[in-house]
This record gives sequence, structure tokens and C-alpha cells, in this order.
Amino acid sequence: GNSVTQMEGPVTLSEEAFLTINCTYTATGYPSLFWYVQYPGEGLQLLLKATKADDKGSNKGFEATYRKETTSFHLEKGSVQVSDSAVYFCALISITGGGNKLTFGTGTQLKVEL
Amino acid sequence: EPEVTQTPSHQVTQMGQEVILRCVPISNHLYFYWYRQILGQKVEFLVSFYNNEISEKSEIFDDQFSVERPDGSNFTLKIRSTKLEDSAMYFCATQGQDITQYFGPGTRLLVL
Repeated sequence: GNSVTQMEGPVTLSEEAFLTINCTYTATGYPSLFWYVQYPGEGLQLLLKATKADDKGSNKGFEATYRKETTSFHLEKGSVQVSDSAVYFCALISITGGGNKLTFGTGTQLKVEL
Repeated sequence: EPEVTQTPSHQVTQMGQEVILRCVPISNHLYFYWYRQILGQKVEFLVSFYNNEISEKSEIFDDQFSVERPDGSNFTLKIRSTKLEDSAMYFCATQGQDITQYFGPGTRLLVL
């Protein structure tokens, strides 16, 4: 079946530090990949997505590249801010192998300090 | 910007009681989903709904759960007889023509 593995959290960084949150996946077919963000007390918001190999999703300074050869979709940001503190979820949809449902990783909590 | 809304934001209920969670999808979206997140755990798929019927459901979605779209706008999740382990955050998500699912803010359900 489909699965997503994310690095364990929490990740604590100083403001303006470089961020990487690792995500790898197992899926049948050709999945679409997503990063969702959950700010404290709020729901899930789509951060970025990529629907085919070598696509790069980007939004709000965050980027992730769909790497089929390593089955990865690592999230990066060059300079984090305190306002980026949240839980980040990597997820996939593999239509050929599981309908339209999203399969989520466990989430990685990011704390950014001044 | 259109958004998915959910009511109530919080619900406290006694074990064995019925609860109904409501979602108002983004207008013109056709695919609807329920997910849940038990505290500290990953977000899990419950059910998908398209064209007025369930298109897929998970093992979690047993006979105690049901979904419907009674009036063409609201999308509801009913739990007939709640158990302690149903305590979780329940998220509704809706999808239009592209593959992206948009999530509501969630309903936090606490079963005592």
C-alpha cells in the first residue's frame, strides 16, 4: 500500500536558518505529492504540490522537488521566520493505487526561535 | 477566497450518544472527504464521497459511521454511538476539478 515517512520532530531552528524536512514515500503508480501545514489551533492548509517527476512546487519561500529516483519530496526553505512555526505534513495521492484519498506522514513540528 | 467551513468547532458528548459533524464545501466542488486526527497521531482517511455515494472508505469507517449530503450543500458525518476512541479532530476536505483537496478548520470531538 501507499505510505509516507517523514523525519521525526520537533525541529527547532533559529530565525533565518535553513530548513530541510525530509519526506520519502512508497506508492503504486505515479503519485502526486503535497506538503500541508497546520498552524497552532488551525486546520490543514495546502503549502505546495507537485504532480509529476522533477516538478518543483513552491510557495511562501518553501520549495520541494519531486524526485522519482529517490522517492522523495523534501521540503526546504532558505531562511525561516518565527511565523513558520507549525506542523508540516507530507502527503500523497496515488490514483491508480488508492483512489483520491490522501495518505499522510506523521507530521514534523517546526519551532523557530528568535 | 472560498473556503471549507465546519461546525461545530468543538463537541463534547457522552459515550453511546450520536453526533453529527457538518461541513459546507467550496461551491462547485464535487468530491468530498472526511479525515480524522487522533491527538498526536497522523491524519487518517475515513471516507470519500462523490455523486451522492461513498466512493471509498477505510477500515475505520465501520457501521457506526455514515455520511450524506442532505440538501445539496452541507456534507455531514454521523457517528451513531460514540466510543471513547472516537475522540479526535475531524477534518472535512473538498476537491474541485484539479487534484488538490482543501481542508476545513476541523471539529474537535471529545467523547467522555
